[in-house]
Amino acid sequence: DGGITQSPKYLFRKEGQNVTLSCEQNLNHDAMYWYRQDPGQGLRLIYYSQIVNDFQKGDIAEGYSVSREKKESFPLTVTSAQKNPTAFYLCASSLQGFYNEQFFGPGTRLTVL
Amino acid sequence: SQQGEEDPQALSIQEGENATMNCSYKTSINNLQWYRQNSGRGLVHLILIRSNEREKHSGRLRVTLDTSKKSSSLLITASRAADTASYFCATAGAGSYQLTFGKGTKLSVIP
Repeated sequence: DGGITQSPKYLFRKEGQNVTLSCEQNLNHDAMYWYRQDPGQGLRLIYYSQIVNDFQKGDIAEGYSVSREKKESFPLTVTSAQKNPTAFYLCASSLQGFYNEQFFGPGTRLTVL
Repeated sequence: SQQGEEDPQALSIQEGENATMNCSYKTSINNLQWYRQNSGRGLVHLILIRSNEREKHSGRLRVTLDTSKKSSSLLITASRAADTASYFCATAGAGSYQLTFGKGTKLSVIP
């Protein structure tokens, strides 16, 4: 089955800890994205990558970091510098370019204890 | 920056009725997309309409785009309980680097 997977589904973090969210796709898409969704809100772009070994900051990159060493994988690290990390995190992929439809993973819900 | 704004924020209808959701945006676009999100899940792409198109159909979905008014509407005909979800519009701005999502319309279809 072609698709995009995220793990874990739920993640709990203590204050001051870094955590890494996994995102993998087997759709052979060049572009991958990370979004944050807060209750009752739309999606806000954290980081995006249009090609392997390259990524760009979105609107709310502060306190987050990413890597893109493989085409299939785009992990997101939520660092201790992110002041309010409790949220629902969504990963997506697409053919190269923002004009194309995006395919989303099931999401990871991060809670800071 | 959030460009798309959906209206209404919430909509409750009986099964079998039609549901209409609207989206307004502020700047020029390359295309506008509609997505559905079931509670606690990822988004699913429904339909993409380009700036030079005025109407598009997909099954029970009908999308219109009026670039002069910077607005779009999503019509779901003969709604079903399974249509209960949040619906988001997303704009791909002309010359912009990102897809910008609105806050969504929460649709409840009562059996």
